Amino acid sequence: ILNVEQSPQSLHVQEGDSTNFTCSFPSSNFYALHWYRWETAKSPEALFVMTLNGDEKKKGRISATLNTKEGYSYLYIKGSQPEDSATYLCAFRRDDYKLSFGAGTTVTVRA
Amino acid sequence: EAEVAQSPRYKITEKSQAVAFWCDPISGHATLYWYRQILGQGPELLVQFQDESVVDDSQLPKDRFSAERLKGVDSTLKIQPAELGDSAMYLCASSTLVEAYEQYFGPGTRLTVT
Repeated sequence: ILNVEQSPQSLHVQEGDSTNFTCSFPSSNFYALHWYRWETAKSPEALFVMTLNGDEKKKGRISATLNTKEGYSYLYIKGSQPEDSATYLCAFRRDDYKLSFGAGTTVTVRA
Repeated sequence: EAEVAQSPRYKITEKSQAVAFWCDPISGHATLYWYRQILGQGPELLVQFQDESVVDDSQLPKDRFSAERLKGVDSTLKIQPAELGDSAMYLCASSTLVEAYEQYFGPGTRLTVT
């Protein structure tokens, strides 16, 4: 079982504020890094798949960066809205295609 | 939009009872995964199917858990007998191929063992 760490475990953000959080993963045998958004009572939804060092992805107000050499990825939410409240999971995919998930960062956006 | 279906969504059972979960993947997806997420942890792979064959069940507690995908389409995960430590979210996911980037998840079954 590979060590994928997410921090912080949870955070509270005021509506309109921006925030970011971290996923750290092993820097060897890298294949891809995934971010999922998981809202309560729904299915985890894929946000980004990043495969190259230096990758930056953006989807609306959410963006992510990737550093495979040092083994970390940041996810940013700009101008948080209540609908951004969810648990954000990162998953490290190694070169045998197996996924190892972090425990998630739970974001609560206060109106 | 095609989705992965799971049932039931919630299940409460007493310890030592048998329990079963069902998953119907997206049509045409050859690879099917069962994950377990214990509270406070990330999802952990229990078993992976390629069509009807198990390709990875290294983390499946085989003394009490079983999984099947008889016709290579839908799948059932069974626990017998259930233990208190089995309380968790059980997620099913599917993908077109093992090496495909995207895994599509169902909403999960929340199991509580009392």
